[in-house]
Amino acid sequence: AQKITQTQPGMFVQEKEAVTLDCTYDTSDPSYGLFWYKQPSSGEMIFLIYQGSYDQQNATEGRYSLNFQKARKSANLVISASQLGDSAMYFCAMSNTGNQFYFGTGTSLTVIP
Amino acid sequence: NAGVMQNPRHLVRRRGQEARLRCSPMKGHSHVYWYRQLPEEGLKFMVYLQKENIIDESGMPKERFSAEFPKEGPSILRIQQVVRGDSAAYFCASSPVLPPTDTQYFGPGTRLTVL
Repeated sequence: AQKITQTQPGMFVQEKEAVTLDCTYDTSDPSYGLFWYKQPSSGEMIFLIYQGSYDQQNATEGRYSLNFQKARKSANLVISASQLGDSAMYFCAMSNTGNQFYFGTGTSLTVIP
Repeated sequence: NAGVMQNPRHLVRRRGQEARLRCSPMKGHSHVYWYRQLPEEGLKFMVYLQKENIIDESGMPKERFSAEFPKEGPSILRIQQVVRGDSAAYFCASSPVLPPTDTQYFGPGTRLTVL
């Protein structure tokens, strides 16, 4: 069975500091994709970053980077230089050749001024 | 290039009524997915469709729920005889190619409230 685990229900970070949101996954498929989405209080799902299972380099998108450790099956999101607008729910997701996306339960991030 | 569009954004129904949720994928995207998000939870997969075909409906309740993606027009998620437990946010996503090599782009969601 495919599974995504986010163990941090809530996180706090000081503005301008970096924060790491944890995500571990479980799959037996050799080919899969890992994603992070942001869901602000307005409710929409905003795509942040993607990492393919065969990618050698960690993905980066602006202030977002994905710390991909394949052997440990972890795909942590690192947000550098946090901003007040980063306060939101963050969801880790995985897709495989079975067409579905599997989502974790999310981490609520609060950026403190 | 417009993103994924969903309407209505908010829908209120009384128990026993029907709810119809619409989703127009991004231009050029032929894969559509529906997800349900209950309060305080992550998104749960419901169904995956391509034009005129249901590819995977393993996450869809067997009764009262149906989905279609006709040759012309938006994808429709239909919930018959709604109950209070159907109250949730329903998200549609689209992608241009098969997973896992590309992301899914989400619409703004439809928030269904059943009174």
